[in-house]
Amino acid sequence: QQQVRQSPQSLTVWEGETAILNCSYENSAFDYFPWYQQFPGEGPALLIAIRSVSDKKEDGRFTIFFNKREKKLSLHITDSQPGDSATYFCAASRSSGSWQLIFGSGTQLTVMP
Amino acid sequence: EAAVTQSPRNKVTVTGGNVTLSCRQTNSHNYMYWYRQDTGHGLRLIHYSYGAGNLQIGDVPDGYKATRTTQEDFFLLLELASPSQTSLYFCASTPTGGAETLYFGSGTRLTVL
Repeated sequence: QQQVRQSPQSLTVWEGETAILNCSYENSAFDYFPWYQQFPGEGPALLIAIRSVSDKKEDGRFTIFFNKREKKLSLHITDSQPGDSATYFCAASRSSGSWQLIFGSGTQLTVMP
Repeated sequence: EAAVTQSPRNKVTVTGGNVTLSCRQTNSHNYMYWYRQDTGHGLRLIHYSYGAGNLQIGDVPDGYKATRTTQEDFFLLLELASPSQTSLYFCASTPTGGAETLYFGSGTRLTVL
């Protein structure tokens, strides 16, 4: 079963636009939500993360918006750059007890110059 | 920056073949993980370990064995490889196994003919 779902599967935006990547989860016990960025030929790397006590986390051009009631979150990339072209994975886990990070299937972002 | 090194980068074998994928981390992390990455599925956990001699089962363990020989080294073994195991394999490590940053290697692309 897919505990973490991402949409869209692929997204193309123009340079300077805001890209919005969506994620939803099923397990209400999840309270830690990282986003990983992966470039071709490389392993994923942590981009930004949020915990369920917050509804927003910002790091430069990257912002996570979190809605605990709807079990949804989104990653907004403002002023998108061609160098942001990558695959983005949303993930979720519990921060206590039996820890295991569950990944979504990813969104492939292409930023056109 | 945590360093996780995987070898080989690419491997081709035949059905029924014997394959060993290697991973070494040099940051004294306790936890190490093996994931497989497939289109439409994201990253799925095969096995993980919290120290030398320890092995824990992940979400998709069938057909895989793993062994943690030292703090630094974690191996994934496919003793009777099948075409369904054609995938991109990633090793990762974390300091304490909680809700923290996963540090990934660059991956091994395995093709089973």
